[in-house]
Amino acid sequence: DVKVTQSSRYLVKRTGEKVFLECVQDMDHENMFWYRQDPGLGLRLIYFSYDVKMKEKGDIPEGYSVSREKKERFSLILESASTNQTSMYLCASSFPPPGGSYQPQHFGDGTRLSIL
Amino acid sequence: AQSVTQPDIHITVSEGASLELRCNYSYGATPYLFWYVQSPGQGLQLLLKYFSGDTLVQGIKGFEAEFKRSQSSFNLRKPSVHWSDAAEYFCAVGAWTSGSARQLTFGSGTQLTVLP
Repeated sequence: DVKVTQSSRYLVKRTGEKVFLECVQDMDHENMFWYRQDPGLGLRLIYFSYDVKMKEKGDIPEGYSVSREKKERFSLILESASTNQTSMYLCASSFPPPGGSYQPQHFGDGTRLSIL
Repeated sequence: AQSVTQPDIHITVSEGASLELRCNYSYGATPYLFWYVQSPGQGLQLLLKYFSGDTLVQGIKGFEAEFKRSQSSFNLRKPSVHWSDAAEYFCAVGAWTSGSARQLTFGSGTQLTVLP
């Protein structure tokens, strides 16, 4: 089974802190994704990466950055945390689609982040 | 840009009753469509997917979904609901992005409550 592990289930930080959320996958997936989940809004893509050191902005990248130094690890960084970044953060990974098809994304259990 | 609408925020059914969760999508090309389920405190689990071919697709846990191009819909069904099906359900459409990653756009989710 694919395992996507997020380092923390719950995290409490203060406004202005630099926050790191870590995600590790064990299936040698090229693609990795960070989403935030808010009630009534579903999941929104923050950033994704399709290779080591490669990153692309998603729909809501403002206030976030990412790092992918190794294939199995994808980090989400809140440069200066604000209260409106209180949310559930979900990491996902997948193989690249061969021949135009699609490979499903596999999700971690999420990190519930509170910014005080 | 692609979009997904789940018109029902919350649905309540009795155990043993049938279930249909609605999903409408907007996408210019042939869509890749998915249903995911999220149990409390968990990440998302893939229930089923549609890429092409037979418009009625079978998934895990006894779920099925029917793709109707003329209605831009991909509704999820189950003939007899179990108490363990209580969860939040997300419909998603996949679209090409840069590199080789296929981005998912999620609906806002439908919360399912199952009465004993």
